Amino acid sequence: DAKTTQPTSMDCAEGRAANLPCNHSTISGNEYVYWYRQIHSQGPQYIIHGLKNNETNEMASLIITEDRKSSTLILPHATLRDTAVYYCIVRANTAVTGANSKLTFGKGITLSVRP
Amino acid sequence: NAGVMQNPRHLVRRRGQEARLRCSPMKGHSHVYWYRQLPEEGLKFMVYLQKENIIDESGMPKERFSAEFPKEGPSILRIQQVVRGDSAAYFCASSPGNPGHEAFFGQGTRLTVV
Repeated sequence: DAKTTQPTSMDCAEGRAANLPCNHSTISGNEYVYWYRQIHSQGPQYIIHGLKNNETNEMASLIITEDRKSSTLILPHATLRDTAVYYCIVRANTAVTGANSKLTFGKGITLSVRP
Repeated sequence: NAGVMQNPRHLVRRRGQEARLRCSPMKGHSHVYWYRQLPEEGLKFMVYLQKENIIDESGMPKERFSAEFPKEGPSILRIQQVVRGDSAAYFCASSPGNPGHEAFFGQGTRLTVV
């Protein structure tokens, strides 16, 4: 699976949008971009994933550049409860490659939402 | 639809004892993944299983650790002869077998070896 690069940390004000960047310049055409977060010591929480098109759900939006070498997770109205470590993960499409579909976690980005 | 269930949530074992961690996947999910998180460290992949089959155990320590996912019942991560260094949070995740699907995590089992 391709590697990802994220800043170590960032902060944003409560109520503002949080834009979390991720670089994945070696991504293959059959690899998805996944985002998870881990709040304190809880189990990782799935946020969103996408292949080529931008995606939106009730939690966040995922913007993937046209060349797919980078993406941005957007939390539209950050709250204090969004303070967490956010992981950007590239994961192979198993039906195409037959490869293992495990998720490989890096260090992630620590988002701090301030009042 | 209940989420991924792990039990026990907390487990204390003395050095040399065995630890058995259980993971019940979400309904309809046939794939299970186990991860370990040492204190103040990241999530490390351990093993990936389908029903009655180990797909990838590249992250499993060579000795004392084993995992299974039987046809019936939960997935079990077994640690024999535990040592203090095994103290960690162990998370499991489950997903359907279809490609491009998300995996959902349980709340983990905190293992403390005393």
